[in-house]
Amino acid sequence: GENVEQHPSTLSVQEGDSAVIKCTYSDSASNYFPWYKQELGKRPQLIIDIRSNVGEKKDQRIAVTLNKTAKHFSLHITETQPEDSAVYFCAATGSGGYQKVTFGTGTKLQVIP
Amino acid sequence: GAVVSQHPSWVICKSGTSVKIECRSLDFQATTMFWYRQFPKKSLMLMATSNEGSKATYEQGVEKDKFLINHASLTLSTLTVTSAHPEDSSFYICSAMLQTYEQYFGPGTRLTVT
Repeated sequence: GENVEQHPSTLSVQEGDSAVIKCTYSDSASNYFPWYKQELGKRPQLIIDIRSNVGEKKDQRIAVTLNKTAKHFSLHITETQPEDSAVYFCAATGSGGYQKVTFGTGTKLQVIP
Repeated sequence: GAVVSQHPSWVICKSGTSVKIECRSLDFQATTMFWYRQFPKKSLMLMATSNEGSKATYEQGVEKDKFLINHASLTLSTLTVTSAHPEDSSFYICSAMLQTYEQYFGPGTRLTVT
């Protein structure tokens, strides 16, 4: 089955700096890669996603890149703000018939004012 | 759009009793819903995939007789934890999938078994 690894597990940045979270996946047939933000005690919220036919996608301060050959994808947050502090999960949707999603282990991002 | 509700938001039950958790897609129809379990400071662990009108697909290691899943309509899936024990205490989250793979999560249910 699919295996998703995520690094780092924790990340502290100064407000205004950039943050980068990296994930690798094992199933070359995976074709959809979402990123979720989860604040303490709340539901995961989809913040950006990318499909296998695209190499990069940007939405304001958030961007995601995908390298299919290397099977890794990254989340980039620029001009970080304290409200960006949360746990971020990457995920990969495999080729299974029921579109099973495998999540990474999560990155706790702390933005220091 | 793409709102998913979950009820109850928290529940405390005694060991040996059963608890039912509901997951509803409020503004879209979802043929596929997922049930996850999340331990403190951990990632989401997929328990099962719920398909409307058919049996759920359980992940390896998840007891189907203990975690009963019913997906009776395109907007409702239920998870029943049967004969709950303290080790079943956890945060249970459902999600509903749109046809383009996007998953939208419910707010979660905090289950405490005493």
